[in-house]
Amino acid sequence: GAGVSQSPSNKVTEKGKDVELRCDPISGHTALYWYRQRLGQGLEFLIYFQGNSAPDKSGLPSDRFSAERTGESVSTLTIQRTQQEDSAVYLCASSLDVGSNSGNTIYFGEGSWLTVV
Amino acid sequence: DAKTTQPPSMDCAEGRAANLPCNHSTISGNEYVYWYRQIHSQGPQYIIHGLKNNETNEMASLIITEDRKSSTLILPHATLRDTAVYYCIVRVARAAGNKLTFGGGTRVLVKP
Repeated sequence: GAGVSQSPSNKVTEKGKDVELRCDPISGHTALYWYRQRLGQGLEFLIYFQGNSAPDKSGLPSDRFSAERTGESVSTLTIQRTQQEDSAVYLCASSLDVGSNSGNTIYFGEGSWLTVV
Repeated sequence: DAKTTQPPSMDCAEGRAANLPCNHSTISGNEYVYWYRQIHSQGPQYIIHGLKNNETNEMASLIITEDRKSSTLILPHATLRDTAVYYCIVRVARAAGNKLTFGGGTRVLVKP
């Protein structure tokens, strides 16, 4: 596609339920990132996928959060047993990633707005 | 990744140039300077990036000092639609990780 596509764009869920958020990166982009942004706050890095390498999960806030990526395509971010503190916009981004000194640009999607009630 | 320092906010008059400063005094030789902006309720939008030389594109110009310890993003003719939070980010590129680390940014308000 022309850009990073995320779905759903909005999701309201009850506390304790599981949610899945989907990201379709730009075609050909090998690197994929998830960020979270709570209302009025900055972007927090969650997880990074690069090709067949082990993902960088250093930003995942708890074991309720997990993400998968199939090859170099779609990624799913799963939040189990959602809490009200999980309410945020979840942003996905992708880039080409050809190694050191690449300077390749990261492009963001419009995000999935999650509200836990 | 090197940290950046930006003023928390600034105002700009519509039609005038907006000059957004960023300090990155601990930048390493292989780190790029990236600028993104985030308009309310939208995903961050890429503006421009550079390594050593000044850069210009259809959106903005990026001026990097010779010692690379600071840079300035220039919006040549600000419009009301340029009201946004602007993020200056330095990004180390290595095989094991290539993520952007966002700071607080500068909240720019373009006034009529």
